[in-house]
Amino acid sequence: DIQMTQSPSSLSASIGDRVSITCRASQTVTHYLNWYQQKPGQAPILLIYGASSLQSGVPSRFSGSGSGTDFTLTISSLQPEDLATYYCQQSYSTQYTFGQGTKLEIK
Amino acid sequence: QVQLVQSGAEMKKPGSSVKVSCKTSGGPFDSSSISWVRQAPGHGLEWIGGITPLTGTTTYAQKFQDRVTLTADESTSTAYMELSTLRSDDTAAYYCARDWGASGCDKWGQGTLVTVSS
Repeated sequence: DIQMTQSPSSLSASIGDRVSITCRASQTVTHYLNWYQQKPGQAPILLIYGASSLQSGVPSRFSGSGSGTDFTLTISSLQPEDLATYYCQQSYSTQYTFGQGTKLEIK
Repeated sequence: QVQLVQSGAEMKKPGSSVKVSCKTSGGPFDSSSISWVRQAPGHGLEWIGGITPLTGTTTYAQKFQDRVTLTADESTSTAYMELSTLRSDDTAAYYCARDWGASGCDKWGQGTLVTVSS
């Protein structure tokens, strides 16, 4: 299986900050990398697919970059509603795998 | 507006089986796949497997290969996940999601809590 490792595991930032979360794959996943946001008690929401494509309806402050094994999710200006846990997921292999998650807290 | 609606919470004994349903409404059922993902309390997301309703093709995570069966009924636009030989560590919220492969899982069910306890 392809292992996905996110860093950091948790993050505290202030409103308006630029925030970045990284995801590293144990082998290349080319651009088959997706990002999800999950708020407490809710199902995940797709933010970014194909490493850098913004899902319809997602605010433009979210962006994704990277290819191969290293990827980044960036929030350009943190908002209170961005309090959540963020997960990367590879869909390169037929055996999908998720990162362990990054819990984002607001200072 | 596409919606995925899952069956209700389940309480099961160790060693038994559970079958969770996921009904798609408001859009085509057979133009994508359905993935199943679980989340144990306080833990992250874990992919269980996926099914392509149009062909019936299934893919399972190796961890669940021997215990999970995914099926789909095109006549009712409903996908099913059956997990057998339940253990206490199978206690989790189970989600279905519309899966576009490279384009990710864009619609999710509300989740079904399965509790395994003697």
